[in-house]
Amino acid sequence: EVQLVESGGGLVKPGGSLRLSCAASGFTFSSNTMNWVRQAPGKGLEWVSSISSGSSYMFFADSVKGRFTISRDNAQNSLSLQMNSLRVEDTGVYFCARERDQYGEFDYWGQGTLVTVSS
Amino acid sequence: SELTQDPAVSVSLGQTVTITCQGDSLRSYYGSWYQQKPGQAPVLVIYGQNNRPSGIPDRFSGSSSGDTISLTITGAQTEDEADYYCNSRDTGGQRVFGGGTKLTVL
Repeated sequence: EVQLVESGGGLVKPGGSLRLSCAASGFTFSSNTMNWVRQAPGKGLEWVSSISSGSSYMFFADSVKGRFTISRDNAQNSLSLQMNSLRVEDTGVYFCARERDQYGEFDYWGQGTLVTVSS
Repeated sequence: SELTQDPAVSVSLGQTVTITCQGDSLRSYYGSWYQQKPGQAPVLVIYGQNNRPSGIPDRFSGSSSGDTISLTITGAQTEDEADYYCNSRDTGGQRVFGGGTKLTVL
């Protein structure tokens, strides 16, 4: 059974940093592109970042470019999102999601971890 | 680029409803559809031209034409009341989501 479990969320002040993690199991983690998607309270889904299976390619939404970095450890089946210079508008639930190559769909999602940026 | 969805759609129980998603990226990349209920993670319901993951009822179907993809629910049930989001790859390696459609089943 495919499982994605996020952790690392919490309350942080504007300008602060936070590192999110996603533990994957039930599939060959090194075979899939992985993504972070966030959802502000009461708002829609926003794609944040993706990383290819071998970490060769990383992409970021314009709203987080230069502040967030994405990484993965295929030996440990883990995905990370380092978030720096956090802003109030970064508040929301952060989901990790597995992507499949052929059609680009996000076929499995974690339950999310809440990040609150507030003074 | 952006994906545009109607913010809200309603359907009577047992009737058919279509939710659409429009955007330039859909001319180049496949789209997919996600259902999200309050407090839950999104669930993939349609991907590619018209593919359903296992466990998704066959009342859900998809279609595509030009810069628009559509999700159709034939015989809507109360449990289909949810937010629906479209998504696709985009230029420069980015991905993009539509703003979401809130489906109400009357």
